[in-house]
Amino acid sequence: SQTIHQWPATLVQPVGSPLSLECTVEGTSNPNLYWYRQAAGRGLQLLFYSVGIGQISSEVPQNLSASRPQDRQFILSSKKLLLSDSGFYLCAWSLAGNGEQFFGPGTRLTVL
Amino acid sequence: GENVEQHPSTLSVQEGDSAVIKCTYSDSASNYFPWYKQELGKGPQLIIDIRSNVGEKKDQRIAVTLNKTAKHFSLHITETQPEDSAVYFCAASKSQKVTFGIGTKLQVIP
Repeated sequence: SQTIHQWPATLVQPVGSPLSLECTVEGTSNPNLYWYRQAAGRGLQLLFYSVGIGQISSEVPQNLSASRPQDRQFILSSKKLLLSDSGFYLCAWSLAGNGEQFFGPGTRLTVL
Repeated sequence: GENVEQHPSTLSVQEGDSAVIKCTYSDSASNYFPWYKQELGKGPQLIIDIRSNVGEKKDQRIAVTLNKTAKHFSLHITETQPEDSAVYFCAASKSQKVTFGIGTKLQVIP
């Protein structure tokens, strides 16, 4: 069966510090991968998605970036965090063309 | 791009009553409509979905209806239980991108 992991589960970072969140998927090959951000009490905002290694599509201009160094690994990064980057970050995967997405447990990021 | 509107934003029902959440979408090319349940501090979990070639789908106490002409779809939960309390998201999708609604916080009062 497929599983998706995210770490860390929680993170507290000062403004201006760098960020690296990691997501890995097991049990499937060549998945589509997604990064979402969920602000408190808000919906899911798509940040990036990837249909293959090295292929990244950005949905929202911001100080975040994403990379996919391996087929089942997706990384969300920032060089300098802003207060507005605080939120709940969710990674998800889907099979190509299927539409159904499976979410990871999320990372709670607090920028102080 | 696709725009999904969801209402109500909050919903309180007595245990045993039914709950209905409604969504509309803008892109007539969307062909897949999932519903997710998110418990506090966790990632969303798919609870039911429907594709554009079907008008209604039911899974025990949960049902979803789709009106392609009007571009709206709804989630129906019958005989609600306290464990149904959560945030529910609708979504619309074509190809690999999914657009989510803002979410509905459902509270089932024992």
